[in-house]
Parts: sequence; structure tokens; C-alpha cells
Amino acid sequence: DQQVKQNSPSLSVQEGRISILNCDYTNSMFDYFLWYKKYPAEGPTFLISISSIKDKNEDGRFTVFLNKSAKHLSLHIVPSQPGDSAVYFCAARENFGNEKLTFGTGTRLTIIP
Amino acid sequence: EAGVAQSPRYKIIEKRQSVAFWCNPISGHATLYWYQQILGQGPKLLIQFQNNGVVDDSQLPKDRFSAERLKGVDSTLKIQPAKLEDSAVYLCASSLGKANEQFFGPGTRLTVL
Repeated sequence: DQQVKQNSPSLSVQEGRISILNCDYTNSMFDYFLWYKKYPAEGPTFLISISSIKDKNEDGRFTVFLNKSAKHLSLHIVPSQPGDSAVYFCAARENFGNEKLTFGTGTRLTIIP
Repeated sequence: EAGVAQSPRYKIIEKRQSVAFWCNPISGHATLYWYQQILGQGPKLLIQFQNNGVVDDSQLPKDRFSAERLKGVDSTLKIQPAKLEDSAVYLCASSLGKANEQFFGPGTRLTVL
């Protein structure tokens, strides 16, 4: 039962253009969402997050949008840079209990110079 | 500030052998996590410690996996005996508390032959 889904295993974007990574979830108890970035041979690093009470959060070139009714979130990177090439994981957290993270399967983003 | 340390970085064993992984979290972080990341999938939580107590081990295959966190600092994860399907990257993460940002170590890549 995949509660967090990233349906695009890979994405290629030209440098300078916008990268849009998508994530869908099924569990209505999720109330906090995070994006992690992972380079090869390294652990995931936190990128940006959004609470369910918001529909947008922006941090520099990164913006996360949340559509609760559609149970969908997206990460926008503008402009895309070669250093953004990595695997991006969407993660969600429930609002009770041990507040553990449930991760999606990841999207490999490649920025083409 | 030093990050989460893990060792070894790579391990190759034959099925039915035993293996142990070590994790040293960020100093002062009370919560420690072990994740299993199988190729092509997102990290899956195996066990979560709060200080030296287990908070969640619902997805830990307890017939072969065990973990401990003595003195609420370092942690070890053991697999005995290993199966082919245990081939994965084992990630350790730590956080100040269960609702705080998780910081990941580089992981241990296990190959079971």
C-alpha cells in the first residue's frame, strides 16, 4: 500500500527552465509534507516543507504547492541549475503518534546544461 | 557541527550470514531512526528510538533484525541471518525530537549474495 506516490521516476529539464516534481498521497491523516534531495552515495537532505494549513511555501528557488482536496503536492525549482541534478523524495507525516515519515519512491531530476 | 556517522559504508555478505551496522547520531539528538532503502524505492522506517527506548518497530522483521541504542547515543542494527532481499541501503537519521527535522547519515550499502 503506497501511501505516497511519485509517478515520474525521472525528469530531464534544460538549465534555466522550471523543474516541476509531483507527489500524490492517499492518507488524509498526513498533515505535514517534506521534500528531500539525495545525491549518490549520500543520505537524503531536507529541502523544503509545507504544513497542511498552507497551500504554498517558498524558499529561494524552491516552492512547494499543496492541494489538499486533490491530495497532491508539487515542488517547483526556478531556475533549474546543474547542481539540482539529484533524486528528490516526497515525504509525509501524520499528525499523531510517533509522527513518522512515509516516503515516496523518488524522482531522478537531470538538469541538461 | 558533525553530521550523522555510519559504518561501514559498504558490506558484501553471503545469505545466511550475520551483519551489523553502526550509527552515531548528531550530538544531543534524542530521536534516532533506521531506514531501509531498497533500490528504486523510498526509505522505509524500520525502527525509531526516543533516547534509548523504542517508539516504533512495527516494520522491523523481528525474526531476523534487531536494533539497540545503549545509553541513548550510538545505535547498532543487526541482521541474522541475512536473506537476498535484505540487499539495500540502510540509512540512519537523527533529530532533536520526533517532530523535528531529520538529518540522515550517508548510509550503508548491503549486498547479500
